[in-house]
Amino acid sequence: GNSVTQMEGPVTLSEEAFLTINCTYTATGYPSLFWYVQYPGEGLQLLLKATKADDKGSNKGFEATYRKETTSFHLEKGSVQVSDSAVYFCALSEGPGGSYIPTFGRGTSLIVHP
Amino acid sequence: DGGITQSPKYLFRKEGQNVTLSCEQNLNHDAMYWYRQDPGQGLRLIYYSQIVNDFQKGDIAEGYSVSREKKESFPLTVTSAQKNPTAFYLCASKTSGGGGIQYFGAGTRLSVL
Repeated sequence: GNSVTQMEGPVTLSEEAFLTINCTYTATGYPSLFWYVQYPGEGLQLLLKATKADDKGSNKGFEATYRKETTSFHLEKGSVQVSDSAVYFCALSEGPGGSYIPTFGRGTSLIVHP
Repeated sequence: DGGITQSPKYLFRKEGQNVTLSCEQNLNHDAMYWYRQDPGQGLRLIYYSQIVNDFQKGDIAEGYSVSREKKESFPLTVTSAQKNPTAFYLCASKTSGGGGIQYFGAGTRLSVL
């Protein structure tokens, strides 16, 4: 079956530091890949997505590239802010004809200090 | 504005009581989902529905029940058989077809009195 593995947190950084959160996946076929973000006490919201190999998703300074050869979708940001403190979830969803059930990683907590 | 509305935001359950969590969407999505989130944990799928009048059990369906009588609504009942219901519950819908984006509600926090 499908699976998503994220690095364990919490990840603690100082403001303006470089961020990487690793994500690798196992899937049949050609899934779409996602990063969702959850702020304290809220639901998840889409941060970025990529639908095919070598696609780069980007939003709010965050980027992730769909690497089929390494089955990875690592999240990066060049300079984090305190407001980026949240839990980040990597997820995959199969293409047409595939499962309706998205697969989520366990989430990685990011704490950014001033 | 289109979105997912969950209510109430906070809910308290007494011993032996059934409680129902509401989830309404105006995004015209066919697929809807219920997840449970425990502190420091990821999401665990309770139930999902691909279309009106049809739903399937997820990984932790025991002690929960759902209905899908309307496209817009997917309520979750936490029954007295669920012995450890304290958690954060999230409802989501998904754009059609595979590879779709999920849209989440703001969640309901359920506690036991």
